[in-house]
Amino acid sequence: DQQVKQNSPSLSVQEGRISILNCDYTNSMFDYFLWYKKYPAEGPTFLISISSIKDKNEDGRFTVFLNKSAKHLSLHIVPSQPGDSAVYFCAATEEFSDSWGKLQFGAGTQVVVTP
Amino acid sequence: EPEVTQTPSHQVTQMGQEVILRCVPISNHLYFYWYRQILGQKVEFLVSFYNNEISEKSEIFDDQFSVERPDGSNFTLKIRSTKLEDSAMYFCASSSGVGGTQYFGPGTRLLVL
Repeated sequence: DQQVKQNSPSLSVQEGRISILNCDYTNSMFDYFLWYKKYPAEGPTFLISISSIKDKNEDGRFTVFLNKSAKHLSLHIVPSQPGDSAVYFCAATEEFSDSWGKLQFGAGTQVVVTP
Repeated sequence: EPEVTQTPSHQVTQMGQEVILRCVPISNHLYFYWYRQILGQKVEFLVSFYNNEISEKSEIFDDQFSVERPDGSNFTLKIRSTKLEDSAMYFCASSSGVGGTQYFGPGTRLLVL
C-alpha cells in the first residue's frame, strides 16, 4: 500500500546549499501533509506541515511546497547545516475523514550534509 | 518544551510472553496513537485513541494488541502473546486536535526471541 512515496533513498548536499526532498502521493483524499526528521534511535521530530488549501508554507530555513494537481510535495532546507543530517519522512493524512489520525509515511530520505 | 515520553527504551522478551509498552503523552493532548517501524521498513500506523475509545486501527492491530489509558497521564500498548514478527520500534504519538500535528516519543525497541 504505497500511498506515499519518497523515491530518493538518499541525498548528499554541501553545507550552505539548498536541500530539496521530494514526496509523491496517490490518494487524492489526503488533505494534510507533514515532514518529520529522524535521528537514529530517536522518534520522528515534527518539522513542518501544510494543509491542502495552501501551496506553500515556510518556517525559518524550511519551506514546504504542495502541488495538488501533480500530487507532489517538496521540502526545501536553506541553508543546509551539518545538524540537518538525518532521515526525513513525508507523511499524509485525511484530516477530515474517519481516518483523521492515520498518518501514512513515506520510506524516508537519508540526508547527509557535508562540510 | 513538552514532549512525549516512552518506557522502557528497550525490551527483550520471549515469544509468547506479554509485553506492555508505556507512553506519557503531552499533557494537554487528547488524541493518542501507536505506530511501529520494523527494521528497514516504513513507519506504520497501528491505532488511534480518543475519549477512552479506539478511533481507528490498522489490520496489524489484531486481537493480540490492546490499548488503554489507565489514568490521566499514561497510555499503554499491550501485546498479549508476542511473536517474532512483533520485533520493531514502537512509537507513541499525541496530538491536541483531530487530525492535528502528531508529536512522537523516542520509541521502545522491542526484540522478541
